[in-house]
Amino acid sequence: AQSVTQPDIHITVSEGASLELRCNYSYGATPYLFWYVQSPGQGLQLLLKYFSGDTLVQGIKGFEAEFKRSQSSFNLRKPSVHWSDAAEYFCAVGGAQKLVFGQGTRLTINP
Amino acid sequence: ETGVTQTPRHLVMGMTNKKSLKCEQHLGHNAMYWYKQSAKKPLELMFVYNFKEQTENNSVPSRFSPECPNSSHLFLHLHTLQPEDSALYLCASSQEGGEETQYFGPGTRLLVL
Repeated sequence: AQSVTQPDIHITVSEGASLELRCNYSYGATPYLFWYVQSPGQGLQLLLKYFSGDTLVQGIKGFEAEFKRSQSSFNLRKPSVHWSDAAEYFCAVGGAQKLVFGQGTRLTINP
Repeated sequence: ETGVTQTPRHLVMGMTNKKSLKCEQHLGHNAMYWYKQSAKKPLELMFVYNFKEQTENNSVPSRFSPECPNSSHLFLHLHTLQPEDSALYLCASSQEGGEETQYFGPGTRLLVL
C-alpha cells in the first residue's frame, strides 16, 4: 500500500537559514512525487513534482527536491528561507487519481 | 491563483440544515476531486469524477452527496451533518491522461454546530 511519512511535525528555522524537510514514501512502482505548500486559510499550492528523469527537481519560490530511490526519500530544500515561507508543507505520492499525502510539516520562521 | 475557485469560503450550518459547496475549474481539466482536511489528520480523498462520471467514493457517508454536471463544475451537497464533519473541504482538478498533477482550490471552511 502507498504511504508517505513526514517525520517532522513542526520545524523552526531562522530567516536566512537553510531548510530541509524530510519525506519518505512507500510505493510499489516508480512513484510520482509532489510537494505542496499551504498557507493559513488557503488551499494547496504545487511547489514541484517528480515524474522521471533528473532526480534533482527545481520548483517555485526557490525550492528544490531530490528523489533518492535507494532511500525512498524526496526531501525538500531551500538554501535561504524568507519569512513568507512560513506555512505547512505536504509531500504526496501516487498518480493523478490516487494521491496519498503525508501528515504535513509546519514551518515557523524566526526573525 | 490556481484556476480552481470554491464558494463559499466559509460556512456555518446547523445539523439539520442543507447546504451546497461549489467548485469551478478554469483549466480545461477533465477530472475533479473533493478532499476533506481535518486538524491533525492527512488529507482524505472523498470523491473523484472523470468526464463527469464518479469513479471513486472513498467510503464517504451518504450525508455528503456530490454532483458533477460538467467537467468544469463540481458540487458537494450537505445534509444532516455532524459536528465531526467540521473541516476544510478542498476541491482539486487534473487532466486525466495528460499532465498528472492536481491543482487545488482555496477550500471551504465548514463549521457544523
